Amino acid sequence: DTGVSQNPRHKITKRGQNVTFRCDPISEHNRLYWYRQTLGQGPEFLTYFQNEAQLEKSRLLSDRFSAERPKGSFSTLEIQRTEQGDSAMYLCASTLDSYEKLFFGSGTQLSVL
Amino acid sequence: DQQVKQNSPSLSVQEGRISILNCDYTNSMFDYFLWYKKYPAEGPTFLISISSIKDKNEDGRFTVFLNKSAKHLSLHIVPSQPGDSAVYFCAASAIRTGTASKLTFGTGTRLQVTL
Repeated sequence: DTGVSQNPRHKITKRGQNVTFRCDPISEHNRLYWYRQTLGQGPEFLTYFQNEAQLEKSRLLSDRFSAERPKGSFSTLEIQRTEQGDSAMYLCASTLDSYEKLFFGSGTQLSVL
Repeated sequence: DQQVKQNSPSLSVQEGRISILNCDYTNSMFDYFLWYKKYPAEGPTFLISISSIKDKNEDGRFTVFLNKSAKHLSLHIVPSQPGDSAVYFCAASAIRTGTASKLTFGTGTRLQVTL
């Protein structure tokens, strides 16, 4: 399977803990996106990378959130001092260039207790 | 500010009939529109797209119509099949700004196709 891979699929954590998610995009794709989806809403843009450069961050991405794509391949999204409002599905997507459709992974479902 | 709106949270259609899902947008910079389908516990998968230079695009059972003056698009599925039961998201982007793949999504419409 050469689709977008996200790990873990599910994460349960206590409020105040740090969590990190990983995304492995389709291998030749140089653009990688993070979205967040809460219940009853559509996915909301968080940030995106072209190769290793983070080109845009949404105002939804507070200082507690950080994303990296160190070698232009996989990406990590870290949330520090998690809050209950961070509970959501975190989706990663990749594409070859800015004019192509996005391919999404299955997401990481985060539950903050 | 919801720039892409799907006002019908759910839709139920009999197998074999036509399903029509609607989407409205407010941002006049949007010039590229997509529909994604999402099954539970999976990420969204691309279904069909349309550029603002067109008013219709077909792909098999799926047709998307775009009415730019009304800032409205619709997805027609005919004939509907039980496997089409899923949540459908309308999404939009602005190619002219160079961020065609940065998508703004609607809230989704849950389609149920009954036997």
